[in-house]
Amino acid sequence: QSALTQPPSASGSPGQSVTISCTGTSNDVGGYKSVSWYQQHPGKAPKLMIYEVNKRPSGVPDRFSGSKSGNTASLTVSGLQAEDESDYYCSSYAGNNIYVFGTGTEVTVL
Amino acid sequence: EVQLVQSGAEVKKTGESLKISCEGSGYNFNTYWIVWVRQMPGKGLEWMGIIYPGDSNTKYSPSFQGQVTISADKSINTAYLQWSSLKASDTAMYYCARRLTLSGYFDFWGRGTLVTVSS
Repeated sequence: QSALTQPPSASGSPGQSVTISCTGTSNDVGGYKSVSWYQQHPGKAPKLMIYEVNKRPSGVPDRFSGSKSGNTASLTVSGLQAEDESDYYCSSYAGNNIYVFGTGTEVTVL
Repeated sequence: EVQLVQSGAEVKKTGESLKISCEGSGYNFNTYWIVWVRQMPGKGLEWMGIIYPGDSNTKYSPSFQGQVTISADKSINTAYLQWSSLKASDTAMYYCARRLTLSGYFDFWGRGTLVTVSS
């Protein structure tokens, strides 16, 4: 199972939006609605930000949104804030009770 | 309060065995799967495998099959990750996380166990 492909980095100024892509195949991202996104600050455990493509857990700001088209999922952070500077990982179900993570994207707030 | 409490950091030698743990509390341990995730120094997250403590149904990533063993003891709400012969390349942070049955995401994570393996 190959890792999902994410851009290594993304950046934006405070108040701007940044979108991170997550590209897989029809065997994972394209085949299931189970795409989720995780935020990981340095030295911390990952935190669930988006699940089932576009749903936000309680407590996650509505600045975070998710979408999917074909084999590519996306995470958009609108109205960037300094605390959004972090690493972000996508994850997808890949069938047969197997999951795969993305390669990770470092988001910098300029 | 939901908690996944992982065992403490380990420093081991190559060839040694190791078993680390993840104890769940504040929720019904038997209705969630537990997943193990590796993060090597400066690298990304890697999905290792998953176990359902209720019946110990386990699935491994092909990359980790045969390299580690995942187990659980539902009587004490604890999942385990173990190695029979550590390698230097096993040096990493290992996280456990929970996944609600029939869901496809990991909604709560432990703080991680750092495993350092040296020769």
